[in-house]
Amino acid sequence: DAGITQSPRHKVTETGTPVTLRCHQTENHRYMYWYRQDPGHGLRLIHYSYGVKDTDKGEVSDGYSVSRSKTEDFLLTLESATSSQTSVYFCATGDGMTGELFFGEGSRLTVL
Amino acid sequence: DQQVKQNSPSLSVQEGRISILNCDYTNSMFDYFLWYKKYPAEGPTFLISISSIKDKNEDGRFTVFLNKSAKHLSLHIVPSQPGDSAVYFCAASARSSSNTGKLIFGQGTTLQVKP
Repeated sequence: DAGITQSPRHKVTETGTPVTLRCHQTENHRYMYWYRQDPGHGLRLIHYSYGVKDTDKGEVSDGYSVSRSKTEDFLLTLESATSSQTSVYFCATGDGMTGELFFGEGSRLTVL
Repeated sequence: DQQVKQNSPSLSVQEGRISILNCDYTNSMFDYFLWYKKYPAEGPTFLISISSIKDKNEDGRFTVFLNKSAKHLSLHIVPSQPGDSAVYFCAASARSSSNTGKLIFGQGTTLQVKP
């Protein structure tokens, strides 16, 4: 258990509003990731970070931005939420050595 | 283009029998493969992994087989138990060519083990 906390766990919002999801880790892992899970698509990588202030895009980055100002926190922002962003979002961390990622419990976002 | 594919959305087996979950990949740069298990309302948890230098890795009831020439891997669960009922995700990474640690996941297979 990598000590990953996601907040909020559930959120309902309206189209066009900004949303920020937070991921907090206590394991001092260098790498952090945001995935979304959708039926038929599995887990798809949105953005990831390989250090403080170092981030890069994943497979489905359009409409999302991230920031990492501290090792322990990785924020995912939807500047203007759309219904297609209704999903379950998972944060993950990794130490870059074992190849294994540790996941948080997920944040369910509904955009009406 | 899906680089990691799990073509069976669901699988149902009887308790005590073998469960075989399959996964195919297209990217020849992948050299490390993992299986994750996910229960409803929880995050995925690591189950077992295999490096491309091996063709088999075993951990208790779970065995992963890798066929590099076919770009195919499978997860065997023997014997299957009702508590194994979950969604199983196959994942791959290109560890030797990338230091990002990111994993590419398949679509998942829902396993139901009937008592």
